[in-house]
Amino acid sequence: KNEVEQSPQNLTAQEGEFITINCSYSVGISALHWLQQHPGGGIVSLFMLSSGKKKHGRLIATINIQEKHSSLHITASHPRDSAVYICAVRSGNQFYFGTGTSLTVIP
Amino acid sequence: EAQVTQNPRYLITVTGKKLTVTCSQNMNHEYMSWYRQDPGLGLRQIYYSMNVEVTDKGDVPEGYKVSRKEKRNFPLILESPSPNQTSLYFCASSMSPAQETQYFGPGTRLLVL
Repeated sequence: KNEVEQSPQNLTAQEGEFITINCSYSVGISALHWLQQHPGGGIVSLFMLSSGKKKHGRLIATINIQEKHSSLHITASHPRDSAVYICAVRSGNQFYFGTGTSLTVIP
Repeated sequence: EAQVTQNPRYLITVTGKKLTVTCSQNMNHEYMSWYRQDPGLGLRQIYYSMNVEVTDKGDVPEGYKVSRKEKRNFPLILESPSPNQTSLYFCASSMSPAQETQYFGPGTRLLVL
C-alpha cells in the first residue's frame, strides 16, 4: 500500500475550467509538497504546506491535517498547465510520493 | 545560475557493469537526495544525505550506494546493475528537508540490459 494516494490519475479539461487534484496520505507528516513535472521530465516545486492554504497565482493548495488530505486547485486552466502534478509528504527526513496526476488542458 | 546537474543524462549498460551517476549542486545546500521514477510507482527515495559524510537509506536503497565527501557532490553508485534498476533517476537538493523548495536535477534515464 502506498503511503500517498492521488486522484484522479488522469484528467482532461477544457481551457478555462477549474481543476481539482486530490491527495490523501496515511503516515504522520511534517509537511506536504506539490510538485509539477513538465512534459520534458523536469520537476519543479510548487508548494509546501503544513497547515491551511497557500496561493501562487492561479494555483491554490489546501491541507486538512485531521483528515490527512490535501487538494491542489487550478483556476482558469490554460494549456500551459498541462503536466503531471505530484503530491509528496515529508515524514522526518524522508519523502514519500504519490504516483501523480496527468493533466491535459485542451484549448 | 542555481542548478543541480546530473551526468550522464542517458545511459545504456549491461547487467553487472558498475556505474556511477554524478550529481552536483552549486547552491551550498546541505540536504541532497536520490530518487527513482517508475511508471505506476511514481518517485521513490533511494538515499538521502543531511550533510557531508552523513547518508541515510530511503525507501528503496537495495542495490545502490552513495557517498558525500564534499557538500556539492552526491554520486549514486550501482555496483552490479540489474535490469530491475532500469529507471529514470533524479537527484535533488535543498538547504534542509524542511525547505519549501527542493531543486531537482534534469534526470538520468538508465537502461540495464
